[in-house]
Amino acid sequence: AQTVTQSQPEMSVQEAETVTLSCTYDTSESNYYLFWYKQPPSRQMILVIRQEAYKQQNATENRFSVNFQKAAKSFSLKISDSQLGDTAMYFCAFMKQAGTYKYIFGTGTRLKVLA
Amino acid sequence: SAVISQKPSRDICQRGTSLTIQCQVDSQVTMMFWYRQQPGQSLTLIATANQGSEATYESGFVIDKFPISRPNLTFSTLTVSNMSPEDSSIYLCSVGGTGSYNEQFFGPGTRLIVL
Repeated sequence: AQTVTQSQPEMSVQEAETVTLSCTYDTSESNYYLFWYKQPPSRQMILVIRQEAYKQQNATENRFSVNFQKAAKSFSLKISDSQLGDTAMYFCAFMKQAGTYKYIFGTGTRLKVLA
Repeated sequence: SAVISQKPSRDICQRGTSLTIQCQVDSQVTMMFWYRQQPGQSLTLIATANQGSEATYESGFVIDKFPISRPNLTFSTLTVSNMSPEDSSIYLCSVGGTGSYNEQFFGPGTRLIVL
């Protein structure tokens, strides 16, 4: 069975600084997808970034990028130039490529951006 | 991406009563999911709702407590039956298999408080 671990329950970062959130997972699958979601206090789950396992290149979306290490089963999220609006819970999620489209979520990291 | 709405956004209910939560999508989707999120916690999948078939429940969730309807490809309901204070949570619906990575898109959630 797949598992997803986020080892940092809470983090803080100064505005304009860079922060990295960690996510590790365990799977025997060779093809899968990984996602980061952001959940601000409004509780809306927002897709931040996504990565397909067979793609070597790390995904990037504006200030958000990932460091995907397939052999190490690691999928960390880097937020550059942090903004107050980045304050939120961040969830890492795993999905098998073929199947039911179900996610395995990590426990989340609460990020606070300080002014 | 799909646009998803949920009703109600929030409700306060008395124990022993039932509440039905509606989830509406702006396009036809095959896979819909219902999650529960307790305060400060990650998302727990309740069930997968497929149109034209019975919902598939995860371990620990039963149809008598959480009956689900899926009458068409754009709509689903989740009922929380015979509520107790332990049912106080955020309930979210999502749709899957729609994006380029078959990622899930989430509704805004329903905040339920049971007294």
